[in-house]
Amino acid sequence: EAGVTQSPTHLIKTRGQQATLRCSPISGHTSVYWYQQALGLGLQFLLWYDEGEERNRGNFPPRFSGRQFPNYSSELNVNALELEDSALYLCASGGWERQETQYFGPGTRLLVL
Amino acid sequence: KQEVTQIPAALSVPEGENLVLNCSFTDSAIYNLQWFRQDPGKGLTSLLLIQSSQREQTSGRLNASLDKSSGRSTLYIAASQPGDSATYLCAVRGGSEKLVFGKGTKLTVNP
Repeated sequence: EAGVTQSPTHLIKTRGQQATLRCSPISGHTSVYWYQQALGLGLQFLLWYDEGEERNRGNFPPRFSGRQFPNYSSELNVNALELEDSALYLCASGGWERQETQYFGPGTRLLVL
Repeated sequence: KQEVTQIPAALSVPEGENLVLNCSFTDSAIYNLQWFRQDPGKGLTSLLLIQSSQREQTSGRLNASLDKSSGRSTLYIAASQPGDSATYLCAVRGGSEKLVFGKGTKLTVNP
């Protein structure tokens, strides 16, 4: 069974541009979670999508947004990129049971120049 | 607001040593606690998941304990090996569904 996949693996952008990151969850999982891991800040929760709806978001500005498609895959969009957006962006998927673990993808490393 | 702290931030040990990594959290209203491993520049690998009703979980040379009332968990690694070198992350899952992570302990096992 395929795990969580993310694309691209690396992304280089310049300040002010937009970045789009993609995630495909494990088959059967309806929830997708996005996390940011910036240097020195640890892993921070960004967004949670379930059944196509945004269910929760972390303490990030509105220029971080996303969506979940009918096949449960998800996109994270970051508008008006800033240097401090450079980070590893991790996607995780899970079922609806709170006792379950979240399964993480390999991440997209975003570099903003 | 849930906060997770991991001590120490870094640890260097000789091969073969038994070691303990510590994790503490401020809000005991959790569904579960999870230990992950992260290799440099990579995603997360789940090591052990402890439900709030459990006290410990074991997998091979790893044993994790949970004391929910005191807000503490420990990850015990027996007979450490150079391949265990990685950053170990502790995360708790509460009612908001998200995972709240500590900043990790960077472990180096020297041959």
